[in-house]
Amino acid sequence: NAGVTQTPKFRILKIGQSMTLQCTQDMNHNYMYWYRQDPGMGLKLIYYSVGAGITDKGEVPNGYNVSRSTTEDFPLRLELAAPSQTSVYFCASSYSRGGNSPLHFGNGTRLTVT
Amino acid sequence: GQQLNQSPQSMFIQEGEDVSMNCTSSSIFNTWLWYKQDPGEGPVLLIALYKAGELTSNGRLTAQFGITRKDSFLNISASIPSDVGIYFCAGLSGTQGGSEKLVFGKGTKLTVNP
Repeated sequence: NAGVTQTPKFRILKIGQSMTLQCTQDMNHNYMYWYRQDPGMGLKLIYYSVGAGITDKGEVPNGYNVSRSTTEDFPLRLELAAPSQTSVYFCASSYSRGGNSPLHFGNGTRLTVT
Repeated sequence: GQQLNQSPQSMFIQEGEDVSMNCTSSSIFNTWLWYKQDPGEGPVLLIALYKAGELTSNGRLTAQFGITRKDSFLNISASIPSDVGIYFCAGLSGTQGGSEKLVFGKGTKLTVNP
């Protein structure tokens, strides 16, 4: 099992550019999540999905979009990159949403917007 | 909204020393989780706590779920260089089936000097 795989690992964008952060998991987990991590600020939930075809907003969804066409993949789209979106982005998955089903995280995508 | 106050923000210790960190909140949680993030990687679950008063160990790590359900602590005994990283607490509130919410603390950055 590869677990949760994120690509790319690093990316530099100019203001106004768009990009898609890729996330795939091979654990057949129904639940997938996107978090952003800013220095000293912990993890903030951007979007999550409870299964293919279903997505919901988290705490900080503005400026992002997601889709979940398959169980395995949960890409995160930035349409008009802004400096405030400079962050480290983590994708995660879990079997269910309860406390007995902990999150499995990918290794992150470090994004810089200049 | 719900917030977790994690302290200390950072610690610099000598190899062999014991470490203690904690999370507090004004809100009640049903589950407390402790994650560790190694440099350049995603967080990995260390310990999960499900009942008030529960004390759980994982090797040199010990964590407790506070009696009031509003706090938790993590202890690391006899620290070693590979303990370096950022430790996050996370609290899960709400009821299973839709209203659950996972909140992360801002992290404790641990540095261990050999």
